[in-house]
Amino acid sequence: GAVVSQHPSWVICKSGTSVKIECRSLDFQATTMFWYRQFPKQSLMLMATSNEGSKATYEQGVEKDKFLINHASLTLSTLTVTSAHPEDSSFYICSATGTGFYEQYFGPGTRLTVT
Amino acid sequence: QKEVEQNSGPLSVPEGAIASLNCTYSDRGSQSFFWYRQYSGKSPELIMFIYSNGDKEDGRFTAQLNKASQYVSLLIRDSQPSDSATYLCAGRVIKAAGNKLTFGGGTRVLVKP
Repeated sequence: GAVVSQHPSWVICKSGTSVKIECRSLDFQATTMFWYRQFPKQSLMLMATSNEGSKATYEQGVEKDKFLINHASLTLSTLTVTSAHPEDSSFYICSATGTGFYEQYFGPGTRLTVT
Repeated sequence: QKEVEQNSGPLSVPEGAIASLNCTYSDRGSQSFFWYRQYSGKSPELIMFIYSNGDKEDGRFTAQLNKASQYVSLLIRDSQPSDSATYLCAGRVIKAAGNKLTFGGGTRVLVKP
């Protein structure tokens, strides 16, 4: 149980375009979802926390107008990278937790390459 | 000072030996700690978590927590080449705004046959 999926697993886009990444909890209701970014040889950096039906809480230094997060249902959160630039190329990972859960369950990640 | 710190490694360990990984944290409000394993190009997978002082064992893994010293460790017994990965330590503070994890930089472990 407690499976989280992400789609797409990898995406290549041109500079200036927008990309949407989906994060789904497949067998539980995700009351809270987290979005992380990981650059090569670095650790996970939390970008934002989203609770179902509420606006996301962004970490310091993360542009909320560039990284749009929507958590419209208890099984789906989306991250949209707007006007992507090569420096946005990274590994984006979501995680989810639910009521009564102690840990976060991670999705498989989405590798974004902006050319 | 980073909130959660780990030695980046690499920690080279012979097959069958014990790998010892350390993690220190600065926020005394941290209430629980998580160890994740991350293979290159993959997302983290949970090994175990600990929230009480002392030791917690799960198979070949033992986590140790010392809140007075703000120190967490992970021991991997009978290390296997498949244990070669980056190990991430994360601390969690329970807050009304959300129970987010703060990750350390990770320790790369190499198990040599």
